[in-house]
Amino acid sequence: EVHLVESGGGLVQPGGSLRLSCVGSGVGFSGDWMHWVRQGPGKGLVWVSGINPDGSGTYYADSVKGRFTISRDNAKNTVYVQMNSLRAEDTSVYYCVNGEFDSWGQGTPVAVSA
Amino acid sequence: QAGLTQPPSVSNDLGETATFTCTGDRNNVGSQGVAWLQQHQGHPPKLVSYRNTNRPSGISERFSASRSGNTASLTITGLQSEDEADYFCSAWDNSLAGWVFGGGTKVTVL
Repeated sequence: EVHLVESGGGLVQPGGSLRLSCVGSGVGFSGDWMHWVRQGPGKGLVWVSGINPDGSGTYYADSVKGRFTISRDNAKNTVYVQMNSLRAEDTSVYYCVNGEFDSWGQGTPVAVSA
Repeated sequence: QAGLTQPPSVSNDLGETATFTCTGDRNNVGSQGVAWLQQHQGHPPKLVSYRNTNRPSGISERFSASRSGNTASLTITGLQSEDEADYFCSAWDNSLAGWVFGGGTKVTVL
């Protein structure tokens, strides 16, 4: 089982940027799809972005397309999401998830507010 | 991103059975594997079923999932207090080229 730890969340002004990181440990990180899933306060789960095992394929929800960029460094067992042009509606806890949602990190909170 | 449809809440007595659905269309539930996630308040989600009917290791046999057409279902037998949680379904959507989630079903054990 993969253990995932996110970092990089925080408070940012509208229009600002953040980069979230997720480090994985355990067997299988480099062979797995990786995803970012977010959850707004008191709300449900929303898939944000996914990347295939070798990083050659990336996918995004329409709500973040053109603003967020997912990437990974398998040598470091790390996946990233660069978030630009942040909006109030991006305020959420962001979870790093592997495979077909097998393992979840604890999440890192992002708050977008003036 | 269009989502999957789940009933907002389900409740039943301790020891009884709870079954709830997840409805999509031919682009997601009808053609792709459905995953079910359990989330207790204040904790990250946990996978309880994947690819329609499969149970990860360590998940109780009281959890079973199925799919028929565009509707998937999760059944919890012998309800326990620890089963009180929110349950989300998810599936890949071919037309959106992304994963979609249901809005979640809150299970209450009476």
